[in-house]
Amino acid sequence: AQTVTQSQPEMSVQEAETVTLSCTYDTSESDYYLFWYKQPPSRQMILVIRQEAYKQQNATENRFSVNFQKAAKSFSLKISDSQLGDAAMYFCAYRTRNNDMRFGAGTRLTVKP
Amino acid sequence: DVKVTQSSRYLVKRTGEKVFLECVQDMDHENMFWYRQDPGLGLRLIYFSYDVKMKEKGDIPEGYSVSREKKERFSLILESASTNQTSMYLCASSLGLRQTYEQYFGPGTRLTVT
Repeated sequence: AQTVTQSQPEMSVQEAETVTLSCTYDTSESDYYLFWYKQPPSRQMILVIRQEAYKQQNATENRFSVNFQKAAKSFSLKISDSQLGDAAMYFCAYRTRNNDMRFGAGTRLTVKP
Repeated sequence: DVKVTQSSRYLVKRTGEKVFLECVQDMDHENMFWYRQDPGLGLRLIYFSYDVKMKEKGDIPEGYSVSREKKERFSLILESASTNQTSMYLCASSLGLRQTYEQYFGPGTRLTVT
């Protein structure tokens, strides 16, 4: 079964600095999708970025980018120029062939002014 | 914009009560999902549905059932609520079965069973 591990329950970053959130996963599949979701306090979960496993190029969305290492089964999220609005719970997720999503336990990011 | 709404943000029920959690999406999505979110465990899939009247068990279906009579609505039912079902419940929807499709989430229902 696929599992997703986020080894950092909490992270903290200074405003305008860069932070990297870690995620590893375990799978025997070769074709899959990976996602990072953001859940702000008392607000809905939204998609931050997605990565297709067959693409070698790392996905980028404005200040958010990923470091996808397929062989190592690693999918980290880098947030550049951190803003106060980036404070949230971040979930790494893996989408299986059966169309269900496997989530990690989450990393709570605090942004200090 | 896709909108997924859930009937209640907060709910308090007593042990043994039957509980209905409602979810509605307005974008004609085929797939709908129910998760529960617990600290340190992330999101765990309870049930999902890929079509009207169709349902599939997720990882933790015990103690829950679902109903999808209309495409836009997906209900989670706790037949006899227990204290270990106290949790945050998230509903989600997605366009289809392709892996690339993201899931859109509702705001969540925080259920407390006393």
